[in-house]
Amino acid sequence: QKEVEQNSGPLSVPEGAIASLNCTYSDRVSQSFFWYRQYSGKSPELIMSIYSNGDKEDGRFTAQLNKASQYVSLLIRDSQPSDSATYLCASYNQAGTALIFGKGTTLSVSS
Amino acid sequence: NAGVTQTPKFQVLKTGQSMTLQCAQDMNHNSMYWYRQDPGMGLRLIYYSASEGTTDKGEVPNGYNVSRLNKREFSLRLESAAPSQTSVYFCASSDDPGGFGNTEAFFGQGTRLTVV
Repeated sequence: QKEVEQNSGPLSVPEGAIASLNCTYSDRVSQSFFWYRQYSGKSPELIMSIYSNGDKEDGRFTAQLNKASQYVSLLIRDSQPSDSATYLCASYNQAGTALIFGKGTTLSVSS
Repeated sequence: NAGVTQTPKFQVLKTGQSMTLQCAQDMNHNSMYWYRQDPGMGLRLIYYSASEGTTDKGEVPNGYNVSRLNKREFSLRLESAAPSQTSVYFCASSDDPGGFGNTEAFFGQGTRLTVV
C-alpha cells in the first residue's frame, strides 16, 4: 500500500449537494493530514489540516480523521461550481521530514 | 509578500540538454521540496531538504540532482533531459523544526517543462 491513497475520480455532484472526498493511509506516515485544493494550471493551496481523531469544521468544509480505520475525509457542503478542482490529501513521513501526497481526486460541481 | 518563487515558468528542452530549475523562499523555512506532477499521478516527491546542508531522495529521484545552496534556495538540475521528464515541477517549503510533521507546505507557481 502506498503511504497515502485516494480515488482519482472524477467525482461529479450537482450544485448544492455534499461532496465527499476520501483518503486512506498506511502506518508509514505521521498522524497529521492536510487537504489541498488545486485549480487547473495553478499551484496547490491548503484548505484544511487535521491532527486529532474526529471532525474539524471550517465554513462549508469538514475534515474527518479516523485513526483506527486509517482514513481521512473531506466533506464540502453546499457545493458550488467554484469548488470544481482537484483535491489532494497529504501527510508527512514518520520522520516528519517529507510531505507525501495522494494522487488527488478531481471534483466537478455542475450548476 | 513573495513566498516561494520558481524560475522559469515555462521551458522547452531538447533531449540531452541540461537545465537548472531555481527555487527561493523568503519565509525562513527549514524544509524545501521538489515535486513533479503528471496527469493522474498527483504530486510525486523528487528530492527534499529538511535543513540547510542536507538533501534526501524522494519517490522519483532518477535523472535529477539538487543543491540546497543556502536556507533560501533549493535548485533542481536535469543533467541530460529525457522526454519522460516532461512534467510540471513544483517547489515547496515548510517549517517544522520539531520534526512533528504538522505544518503546511507553501508552493511556488510551478514550472512547465517540455522535453522534445
